[in-house]
This record gives sequence, C-alpha cells and structure tokens, in this order.
Amino acid sequence: GEDVEQSLFLSVREGDSSVINCTYTDSSSTYLYWYKQEPGAGLQLLTYIFSNMDMKQDQRLTVLLNKKDKHLSLRIADTQTGDSAIYFCAESITGGGNKLTFGTGTQLKVEL
Amino acid sequence: DAMVIQNPRYQVTQFGKPVTLSCSQTLNHNVMYWYQQKSSQAPKLLFHYYDKDFNNEADTPDNFQSRRPNTSFCFLDIRSPGLGDAAMYLCATSRDLARDHQPQHFGDGTRLSIL
Repeated sequence: GEDVEQSLFLSVREGDSSVINCTYTDSSSTYLYWYKQEPGAGLQLLTYIFSNMDMKQDQRLTVLLNKKDKHLSLRIADTQTGDSAIYFCAESITGGGNKLTFGTGTQLKVEL
Repeated sequence: DAMVIQNPRYQVTQFGKPVTLSCSQTLNHNVMYWYQQKSSQAPKLLFHYYDKDFNNEADTPDNFQSRRPNTSFCFLDIRSPGLGDAAMYLCATSRDLARDHQPQHFGDGTRLSIL
C-alpha cells in the first residue's frame, strides 16, 4: 500500500541549512515531489525528482533520493524567515493515473 | 499571474445549505482535481476530471459533486454541508495523466466554514 511519512516539526536558525526528510513505501514511485504551503494558501510546487535519479539541485534546494531505503530529503541552504511553511512530499505511482499520495507535512519554523 | 484561480478565498455557509466552490485555470490543462484539506492534515483527493470524464475516489461521500462545463472551469458542489465538511478545498490542474512528468499546479484554496 501507499504510505508517506514525515516528521511533524523542524526548527532552524536563519542562515542555517534545513533538512526535511520523507519516507515512502511504494517502490513503484515514478516521481517524487516537494510542495510548500504557507499559512492560508495553496500548495506551491518547489521541485521534483524522477525515481531513477539520486540527486537534484535547484538554487538553494537540494533533493536527495535513496531508492534502496525509500528515503527522500529536501535540503534548503541559507534558510530564511520566508521559508517558514509546511513542506509536503508526495509520490506518484507508475500506472497510478497521476494520483499523488502526500506525506503528513513538516512544519518548518525559522528563528532569528 | 495566477494560473489556477479559486473563488471565493473564504466561504461561510449554514449547516445543510448547498454551497458551490469555483475553480478556473488559464493553463489549458486537461485534468482538474479537487482536494479536501482539514487542519494539520495532508490534502485528500476527492475526484478529478480528465477532460469531460469524471473520476470519483472510492471514499468520497455522495454529498460532494463536481461539474466541469468547459476546459477552464470546474465547480465543487456540496449538497448538504455538515460540520465535518469545514476545511480548505484545493483545486489543482495537470496537463495530462502520467504519460510523463505531469506536475499538479494548485490554486490558493477556498476555506469553507459551516455555521
């Protein structure tokens, strides 16, 4: 079955790096996504990785995928107060009709 | 330049009074989705339209219906809202269904309150 898990909270100081982790159980994932949700807003697509890749870098964001352990992480370099939000990982399954299974979300708090 | 637009941002209705939420898109995408997101939870897919084809999730209550009169617009109708239907409702679109990379693009949501 599909199950995507994340830790609930992460607190970092401004300027430090943040690492948000995600584990998933379905080995037939095609794409894995990271979305950001600010209070009272919708989901903003941040980045994604195809399941045959190990790493993807996009400006301050680095996505690492360990397919053997079914572990996905999002690293935010030089974290700013504007990065405070809830971060959801999501997977789409091969043959799943583009249906996304979301993780529980990680609330990132950036302190001065 | 909003591409997926939801109106209104906040909606208040009375218990049992039908309510309609609206979503429009300027992306010309084939697929439109409706999600329900309760407080501190992940979004839960209710249904999606692939062009005019409606696809309901197995556990979506009958109280929730949808209409897609054209490519650009999709509506969520809640026939008899209960207190448990208070939530954020998110609309999303994708170009197609999983033939290759088809990310979903979300609107800002409508927060529904039930009195």
